[in-house]
Amino acid sequence: AQKVTQAQTEISVVEKEDVTLDCVYETRDTTYYLFWYKQPPSGELVFLIRRNSFDEQNEISGRYSWNFQKSTSSFNFTITASQVVDSAVYFCAPRPYTGFQKLVFGTGTRLLVSP
Amino acid sequence: DTAVSQTPKYLVTQMGNDKSIKCEQNLGHDTMYWYKQDSKKFLKIMFSYNNKELIINETVPNRFSPKSPDKAHLNLHINSLELGDSAVYFCASSQAGTVQPQHFGDGTRLSIL
Repeated sequence: AQKVTQAQTEISVVEKEDVTLDCVYETRDTTYYLFWYKQPPSGELVFLIRRNSFDEQNEISGRYSWNFQKSTSSFNFTITASQVVDSAVYFCAPRPYTGFQKLVFGTGTRLLVSP
Repeated sequence: DTAVSQTPKYLVTQMGNDKSIKCEQNLGHDTMYWYKQDSKKFLKIMFSYNNKELIINETVPNRFSPKSPDKAHLNLHINSLELGDSAVYFCASSQAGTVQPQHFGDGTRLSIL
């Protein structure tokens, strides 16, 4: 079984600040994927990134970066120079590498970016 | 050209009624899902179908019955609606055996009066 802990329920920052969203997961699978999804106030779920457990390289995409550390079972997400449009609930979710693609979502972190 | 579409977007009904939510995907995926998001934003899988076959059935009351007439459609029928069924229901799809992420519909907000 998989479990995800997103300990930060809500984070408030001012525009242009950097912010890191934490994700700690538990899984008995030796190989797996990790996902981040964004849910803006409009309600839809938007895929942000997928990382497989073989690859511990950090990834940067524009203002977004992800730090995956298998040794601590963490997959943290950093937004650099945050913008108001980043305000959303962010979900971390592991998924088995093989078999049925059941996503187990964390409780989410609500990010509020004020001008 | 919406990838995963759900209807209706909003559903307001009374306790005890029966209602259905429809989902269609035009991505050519073979696997579809239903997730429930409660008022605290907690997202949990309910069902999954692969090529019209039920493959995931979480602990969901029997009042919830999914139906997949073909691999592009997955509908959710709910009998005898209860107050606790109020939530946002998301449909998603993906292609089994690939690394592609699940694509989600925009959700159906179900409110029970």
